[in-house]
Amino acid sequence: EVQLVESGGGLIQPGGSLRVSCAASGFTVSNNYMSWVRQAPGKGLEWISVIYSGGGTYYADSVKGRFTISRDTSNNSLYLQMNRLRAEDTAVYYCARGMTPLGATFYFDYWGQGTLVTVSS
Amino acid sequence: SYVLSQPPSVSVAPGKTARITCGGNNIGSKSVHWYQQKPGQAPLLVIFSDSDRPSGIPERFSGSNSGNTATLTIGRVEVGDEADYYCQVWDSSGGPVVFGGGTKLTVL
Repeated sequence: EVQLVESGGGLIQPGGSLRVSCAASGFTVSNNYMSWVRQAPGKGLEWISVIYSGGGTYYADSVKGRFTISRDTSNNSLYLQMNRLRAEDTAVYYCARGMTPLGATFYFDYWGQGTLVTVSS
Repeated sequence: SYVLSQPPSVSVAPGKTARITCGGNNIGSKSVHWYQQKPGQAPLLVIFSDSDRPSGIPERFSGSNSGNTATLTIGRVEVGDEADYYCQVWDSSGGPVVFGGGTKLTVL
């Protein structure tokens, strides 16, 4: 059974750093496209980053240069290192497994339950 | 970057058909995916690649995509279908993933 479990959220001051984690089971993270998607309170979904099976990464403009996505094959986990945090980064952060049938499209078939990051003084 | 437009809200009576639209420039040339999100829960994939249903999703959920509009159709709507619905595409020209703003489905 595929499962994704996020952890590491919490309250952090503006300008601070935080790393959130996503432990995967039932599949191999490094063989899949993995993403982080966030949702600010009362708002819609915002895709922020992807790591491809080949290791390449891509970021939304809103987090580029501040956030870093990575993975650890030894413990089958995905990470998001968040630096220079701002109030507008306050959101629930979801990790999600991406599917790319024939490389022609990209969608998320499994999501974690999310972890809340609150940036406030 | 590519923009997807959804109506903020749609209302429907139980047992009727709900249609939620997702507009985008020539969206018919892209594959559209739909997610259902109930309060306090993670999103759930309900339609992928315009009209395919993941295992476990009722046949009442269907999708179509043509021209500048993709549509999620929910037949014989139930109270349990009340949720936010998001469309999503893969935009290789900009950020890989784009979500619509979401539509709140209310079952009256």
